[in-house]
Amino acid sequence: DIVMTQTPLSSPVTLGQPASISCRSSQSLVHSDGNTYLSWLQQRPGQPPRLLIYKISNRFSGVPDRFSGSGAGADFTLKISRVEAEDVGVYYCMQSTQFPQTFGQGTKVEIK
Amino acid sequence: EVQLVESGGGLVQPGGSLRLSCAASGFTFSNHWMHWVRQAPGKGLVWVSRINTDGSTTIYADSVKGRFTISRDNAKNTLFLQMNSLRAEDTAVYYCARSSRIGDDYWGQGTLVTVSS
Repeated sequence: DIVMTQTPLSSPVTLGQPASISCRSSQSLVHSDGNTYLSWLQQRPGQPPRLLIYKISNRFSGVPDRFSGSGAGADFTLKISRVEAEDVGVYYCMQSTQFPQTFGQGTKVEIK
Repeated sequence: EVQLVESGGGLVQPGGSLRLSCAASGFTFSNHWMHWVRQAPGKGLVWVSRINTDGSTTIYADSVKGRFTISRDNAKNTLFLQMNSLRAEDTAVYYCARSSRIGDDYWGQGTLVTVSS
């Protein structure tokens, strides 16, 4: 199975300041079809996961543009340009390039 | 609006069984592969099982293989997870998720399964 490793595991951030989360996979996530199936999920406290970003850098429907994804191969980043109170929660990277899909450990974003 | 609503969770003794359901609406259910993903209390997300569009192909995580069975009823827009021989380590919130060409794009709100004597 592909192992997904996120850093940091906790990210205290001041409101209005940026936040960045790194995700590395144990092997390249480039699929044979040429796509890279790396997603970012947000899980607010007491809520189910919600898709934020798919295929590295595409924002899902309704996701604010302060969220952005980047990267390639086995190294990816989620950035929040200016953290708002509603962004508090745990963020997971997920790969679905290779079966079985696997998730990072999660990064907790909290307000300082 | 896409909606996935799980039900069927609860408290069960070790060795017992439960059947989870996931009612889908707002999209053509029969066009999508579906997954079950679980989350133990305070822990991360773990994929459990996947089923293709007509139910002919199913696959499981090693931890549940031989004990859990995923199925679907496309006429009723419902996904199921039959869980037998339950263990304490199966305690988790179970989510159903819709699979699409971009990944798992919609998730249900989850149903809690607690295995305890």
